Amino acid sequence: GENVEQHPSTLSVQEGDSAVIKCTYSDSASNYFPWYKQELGKRPQLIIDIRSNVGEKKDQRIAVTLNKTAKHFSLHITETQPEDSAVYFCAGSYSGAGSYQLTFGKGTKLSVIP
Amino acid sequence: DAGVIQSPRHEVTEMGQEVTLRCKPISGHNSLFWYRQTMMRGLELLIYFNNNVPIDDSGMPEDRFSAKMPNASFSTLKIQPSEPRDSAVYFCASSFSTVSGTQYFGPGTRLTVL
Repeated sequence: GENVEQHPSTLSVQEGDSAVIKCTYSDSASNYFPWYKQELGKRPQLIIDIRSNVGEKKDQRIAVTLNKTAKHFSLHITETQPEDSAVYFCAGSYSGAGSYQLTFGKGTKLSVIP
Repeated sequence: DAGVIQSPRHEVTEMGQEVTLRCKPISGHNSLFWYRQTMMRGLELLIYFNNNVPIDDSGMPEDRFSAKMPNASFSTLKIQPSEPRDSAVYFCASSFSTVSGTQYFGPGTRLTVL
């Protein structure tokens, strides 16, 4: 099955700086890579995703890059703000048995220092 | 859209009691996932259904756990008998698998077994 490794487990940045979170996956058949943000006591919420036919995707201050050859993908947050503080999860998935089964990384706790 | 609905939001019970968690997926979604989240183990997939049929229950920790999806708009996760180590937040998520892998999470049920 799929195995997703996520680094770092904690990350502190100054407000306005950039933050980068990296994930690697093991199953070359994986073709869908979402990122979720989870604030304390809340549910995980999708912030951006990328499919294997695309190398990069951007949405305002967040971007995700995918390197299929190396089997790793990264989340980039620019101009960080205190409200970006949360736990971020990456996941890998492939569409097998008619559904996408996600395997999540262990999460990165991002702290943005004002 | 009301999103994924879970009940109860909080459950406190004593060891040995039966616990039933409930989930209503987003209308029109055909895949439903049950996750457990703890500090130690992160987000773990317990079981998922596609078109009301259980596809993969390999994440169910033991026979004390069971899940059903009698129709497209309702699923239950039952623990009988409950144990203190079952204390966790249980999330239900749903997706429209034939369109994309995006999973939408419910608010979760925080279970405490004393």
